[in-house]
Amino acid sequence: QKEVEQNSGPLSVPEGAIASLNCTYSDRGSQSFFWYRQYSGKSPELIMSIYSNGDKEDGRFTAQLNKASQYVSLLIRDSQPSDSATYLCAVKAGGYNKLIFGAGTRLAVHP
Amino acid sequence: DTEVTQTPKHLVMGMTNKKSLKCEQHMGHRAMYWYKQKAKKPPELMFVYSYEKLSINESVPSRFSPECPNSSLLNLHLHALQPEDSALYLCASSQVWTGNWGDEQFFGPGTRLTVL
Repeated sequence: QKEVEQNSGPLSVPEGAIASLNCTYSDRGSQSFFWYRQYSGKSPELIMSIYSNGDKEDGRFTAQLNKASQYVSLLIRDSQPSDSATYLCAVKAGGYNKLIFGAGTRLAVHP
Repeated sequence: DTEVTQTPKHLVMGMTNKKSLKCEQHMGHRAMYWYKQKAKKPPELMFVYSYEKLSINESVPSRFSPECPNSSLLNLHLHALQPEDSALYLCASSQVWTGNWGDEQFFGPGTRLTVL
């Protein structure tokens, strides 16, 4: 059974701090890794994709991938109250158009 | 254009009704997906179409019937649903996996379904 694990939270951080969200996955054949943000009552919104080991930065977001440790993370710098949402880690194994989602981490940024 | 559209936004139906959910994308994607999402749970894959052909059916009950009329459209036909089928139904699209990057899935806004 391919699995993706996330801490469900809530992760509470003060405004302006760095939020660190973590995800581990079980399938070593996984090729593609994604972070989605989902506000309550809305659909998931893709915020980052990462395919190679290392860091990938996009604005205030940095995704980090370590395939040897089967670990992917998302850092949000200068967190804002508008970042308060559930963050879903999703992993895709090679050769299949199928995403495996983690349970999601709820992030709360307080002023 | 990175938009996936879904209609209707909300749907209330009885257990004997027949209804359809519709999804459309104009990103040139050749893979389209139906997901079901219950409250406080991640999306759960139901069906995958690749090049307009059904490639994955996650053992979904036959009261859900998908259809892909062309590369831009995806339908989900509903019949004899149960109250436990009430959920947010999400459509997504992506490039077909090529072994490289660029296979991100983009979600539509969803249809909130209530079965009475």
